[in-house]
Amino acid sequence: IAGITQAPTSQILAAGRRMTLRCTQDMRHNAMYWYRQDLGLGLRLIHYSNTAGTTGKGEVPDGYSVSRANTDDFPLTLASAVPSQTSVYFCASRVDELGTQYFGPGTRLTVL
Amino acid sequence: SQQGEEDPQALSIQEGENATMNCSYKTSINNLQWYRQNSGRGLVHLILIRSNEREKHSGRLRVTLDTSKKSSSLLITASRAADTASYFCATDLETSGSRLTFGEGTQLTVNP
Repeated sequence: IAGITQAPTSQILAAGRRMTLRCTQDMRHNAMYWYRQDLGLGLRLIHYSNTAGTTGKGEVPDGYSVSRANTDDFPLTLASAVPSQTSVYFCASRVDELGTQYFGPGTRLTVL
Repeated sequence: SQQGEEDPQALSIQEGENATMNCSYKTSINNLQWYRQNSGRGLVHLILIRSNEREKHSGRLRVTLDTSKKSSSLLITASRAADTASYFCATDLETSGSRLTFGEGTQLTVNP
């Protein structure tokens, strides 16, 4: 693995189902982030983690939860998916102390 | 509302021409960053300018920052068809702890 990987690449999900989006990095970055990207709205921060064992809420956290059991993994869970959660989800990690971020390839999620 | 707002929303130019994109923001920043996103891909960091810097260059990219006007511009010189992408500014707020706030992006199309 080199950089950040996300899985799955895409998913179609029925409303009400539970879904976990996976994110793994092998760069030993302390901080990690989850964003959603919707047309006309840019990227919006869902949750973040400054270091393993800690998490925080971003701009649009409702309906999502995260955990950070170790440095490498930062899964995002939708407990009961709704159609408004249809979006492209990006995981990122912070490269340096200035805040430059390194992004994964994204997960395209469709909730029907 | 978004901290960073880009304009124009879309820009179409011919190869060889220069492309200028602007970003405005509302509150004090530690730094401002520009990212590029090719269609269907994750974001890639281009350049970072600190709040005490006024201009920065990287290859064909030139970024300026005017903290008094709370604005930044990204200039791409001698554009190429491969520069076609969406460009986002992201602000690292003094109060955010390196959590970036993204604008809605400028879609640049460079015609061969």
